[in-house]
Amino acid sequence: QKEVEQDPGPLSVPEGAIVSLNCTYSNSAFQYFMWYRQYSRKGPELLMYTYSSGNKEDGRFTAQVDKSSKYISLFIRDSQPSDSATYLCAMSHGGATNKLIFGTGTLLAVQP
Amino acid sequence: NAGVMQNPRHLVRRRGQEARLRCSPMKGHSHVYWYRQLPEEGLKFMVYLQKENIIDESGMPKERFSAEFPKEGPSILRIQQVVRGDSAAYFCASSPSNGGGGDGYTFGSGTRLTVV
Repeated sequence: QKEVEQDPGPLSVPEGAIVSLNCTYSNSAFQYFMWYRQYSRKGPELLMYTYSSGNKEDGRFTAQVDKSSKYISLFIRDSQPSDSATYLCAMSHGGATNKLIFGTGTLLAVQP
Repeated sequence: NAGVMQNPRHLVRRRGQEARLRCSPMKGHSHVYWYRQLPEEGLKFMVYLQKENIIDESGMPKERFSAEFPKEGPSILRIQQVVRGDSAAYFCASSPSNGGGGDGYTFGSGTRLTVV
């Protein structure tokens, strides 16, 4: 079993829709949770960063962490064609290394 | 303020050759991480370095792969005697410290290695 599971999609939605992206994980030691956006042939770009459980909102993006269920979500409101990309969840338990464990990514296409 | 610079962007090597991938961290960042992204897979951690020190190489294959981050100059990921299975995108990230569980990480645009 992978430490982090993420549905690879693809997910296709019309412009303006609310998008929900999710990851589950098995390691209860994870404390830091991130969502990255990766455009084709580019490096990952940090979208949201959350420590421990709770919600965090930034513009059209909301990240939720439920440590009791080992489940994290990213919501995108009023989705735009420019949001079309691969979304990667990532987690870390911090410590001396800070290495990130990534999901496989969900490919999102927002249709105009 | 330049971001994380990786070069070359694309690298083609024949089986058995050596590949050298370079990463210059963001200004003020002294922590460098290398990740590999295989087709249809997420990024996998390879190695974490600080200046002149390898801190964690738990994700590095035991043979043919090595990494360094010298006092002067970029970090280098070196792959000797490349095989087709080494074809992947290699990403470097840097951060100003090792605190924060990933906050402050900035990724480069990657080097796409193709082994023919």
